[in-house]
Amino acid sequence: AQSVAQPEDQVNVAEGNPLTVKCTYSVSGNPYLFWYVQYPNRGLQFLLKYITGDNLVKGSYGFEAEFNKSQTSFHLKKPSALVSDSALYFCAVRDYYGGSQGNLIFGKGTKLSVKP
Amino acid sequence: SAVISQKPSRDICQRGTSLTIQCQVDSQVTMMFWYRQQPGQSLTLIATANQGSEATYESGFVIDKFPISRPNLTFSTLTVSNMSPEDSSIYLCSADGGISYNEQFFGPGTRLTVL
Repeated sequence: AQSVAQPEDQVNVAEGNPLTVKCTYSVSGNPYLFWYVQYPNRGLQFLLKYITGDNLVKGSYGFEAEFNKSQTSFHLKKPSALVSDSALYFCAVRDYYGGSQGNLIFGKGTKLSVKP
Repeated sequence: SAVISQKPSRDICQRGTSLTIQCQVDSQVTMMFWYRQQPGQSLTLIATANQGSEATYESGFVIDKFPISRPNLTFSTLTVSNMSPEDSSIYLCSADGGISYNEQFFGPGTRLTVL
């Protein structure tokens, strides 16, 4: 069975500092990995994905994520945080196994708070 | 990418009644999904809806409680039946990315409160 874990309920950073939001996963086959962001009273917005290829994936709003197969991780990063980055971040995984894709499974979410 | 709209955006309902949520996509998509996000929780998949076939429900969700329609490639509805306060949640519609099934796009959600 596939699963995804976000070990931190909340991450606090100062504006201008680098940020990391952690995500680890477990799948039977090859993982398709995603990050989404949810602003208050809004739906989920797609940030970036890893399917195959370069382990470092660049996405929207200056975010990037690094796929690490040996550590089964897909941490979200940004070199310089903005106050406007404050939101709820979800990591998600889809298992690709036996020629078919599984459903998209979400982590519990990590609240990012960026202080001025 | 697909742009998804939902109606209503929020509602307050009485116990025992039913609410139908509409989801409209601006392009044809193969698969549509319905998720529930309870307060302070992650997203839980309710069911997957393909056009022309019955929805596929995840464990813990049944058709009698959450009937789904998918009449064409751009539209779906989710009904929350015989509501109780435990059904108070945000209900999110999602669709695959069309050609790029790998991505899923989400609507803004419907915030449901059951009294």
